[in-house]
Amino acid sequence: EAGVTQSPTHLIKTRGQQATLRCSPISGHTSVYWYQQALGLGLQFLLWYDEGEERNRGNFPPRFSGRQFPNYSSELNVNALELEDSALYLCAGGPRLAKNIQYFGAGTRLSVL
Amino acid sequence: KNEVEQSPQNLTAQEGEFITINCSYSVGISALHWLQQHPGGGIVSLFMLSSGKKKHGRLIATINIQEKHSSLHITASHPRDSAVYICAVRGGNQFYFGTGTSLTVIP
Repeated sequence: EAGVTQSPTHLIKTRGQQATLRCSPISGHTSVYWYQQALGLGLQFLLWYDEGEERNRGNFPPRFSGRQFPNYSSELNVNALELEDSALYLCAGGPRLAKNIQYFGAGTRLSVL
Repeated sequence: KNEVEQSPQNLTAQEGEFITINCSYSVGISALHWLQQHPGGGIVSLFMLSSGKKKHGRLIATINIQEKHSSLHITASHPRDSAVYICAVRGGNQFYFGTGTSLTVIP
């Protein structure tokens, strides 16, 4: 069974551009969580999607947005990139009825130059 | 103030030593997770706890709900245990994370 997959593995952008990151949870799982791990900082909660809807978002500006598709895969979009957006972005998936369970992907490392 | 505090921040141990990493939290939680992050960033979920104690191989995790405290123990540590260990709690609809404990086990 495939685990949580994220793409791309690495992404290099310049300031002001937009970045799109993708995540596919384990088959049958409906929840997707996005986290940011900036250098020297801990994991920060970004967004939670479940069954196609945004359920909660962390303390991030509106230029961080996303969506969840009917097949429960998800995109994280970061507009107007800033240098401090350089970080590892981790996605985690989980089943709808067991909200505490999360399976993490390997992450996308975003570098903003 | 962080909702989740871990200690120590850095830990170096000799192979075979018994290791303890502590986590204290300040929010009401439904569950606590211990995560392991290897160089490169990949994260593995080690334990999910809501009460008591869990054991998996050489790893033991305990939680005291009244004291809002959890510990992760590693018995007979090995160099392959070298990683960052992260404590995370779920409070409401949000997860809160500690900043991690960087463990290095020397042969």
